[in-house]
Amino acid sequence: DAKTTQPPSMDCAEGRAANLPCNHSTISGNEYVYWYRQIHSQGPQYIIHGLKNNETNEMASLIITEDRKSSTLILPHATLRDTAVYYCIVRVVYTGNQFYFGTGTSLTVIP
Amino acid sequence: GAGVSQSPSNKVTEKGKDVELRCDPISGHTALYWYRQSLGQGLEFLIYFQGNSAPDKSGLPSDRFSAERTGGSVSTLTIQRTQQEDSAVYLCASSYYTGELFFGEGSRLTVL
Repeated sequence: DAKTTQPPSMDCAEGRAANLPCNHSTISGNEYVYWYRQIHSQGPQYIIHGLKNNETNEMASLIITEDRKSSTLILPHATLRDTAVYYCIVRVVYTGNQFYFGTGTSLTVIP
Repeated sequence: GAGVSQSPSNKVTEKGKDVELRCDPISGHTALYWYRQSLGQGLEFLIYFQGNSAPDKSGLPSDRFSAERTGGSVSTLTIQRTQQEDSAVYLCASSYYTGELFFGEGSRLTVL
């Protein structure tokens, strides 16, 4: 699996959009981008994933650059409950291999 | 059950003792993963089971660690002769084939 690079920490004002970047410059054509988050002392929670098209669900939007070397997770209206560590992972689907989690980005939403 | 269930939620043991951690995955999920998370660190992959295939044990840190999955469902992670550096939260996750992971709340192990 390709490695990912994320900033170690970010702040965001409550109610504003939180934009979390991820670099995956060695991503392969069959690797998907996944995002998970981990709220303190809980197990990680799935957020969203995509291959090359932008994706949106009830939690977030995922913007993947055309060359697929980077992506951005967008939380449109951050709340205090969005304070968590956010992990960006790239993974080949349908081969049954494991997810590799890096150290993620610690997002703090400020009142 | 509705989600991934892990037990015990907390375990305190003495150095040198053996411990067993249990994971009940979501019913019907074929894949099961074990991760370890030390304080303030990211998730460290330990082992992965998929259906009846041989498990991927590439993440186990030493031969004191082992895991089994009986009947394609419940899994037990065993740590023999525990050391203080084994203190961590042990997280289990399951998925339907290769879909997204659903995590349990973890088992916090403290080795004195």
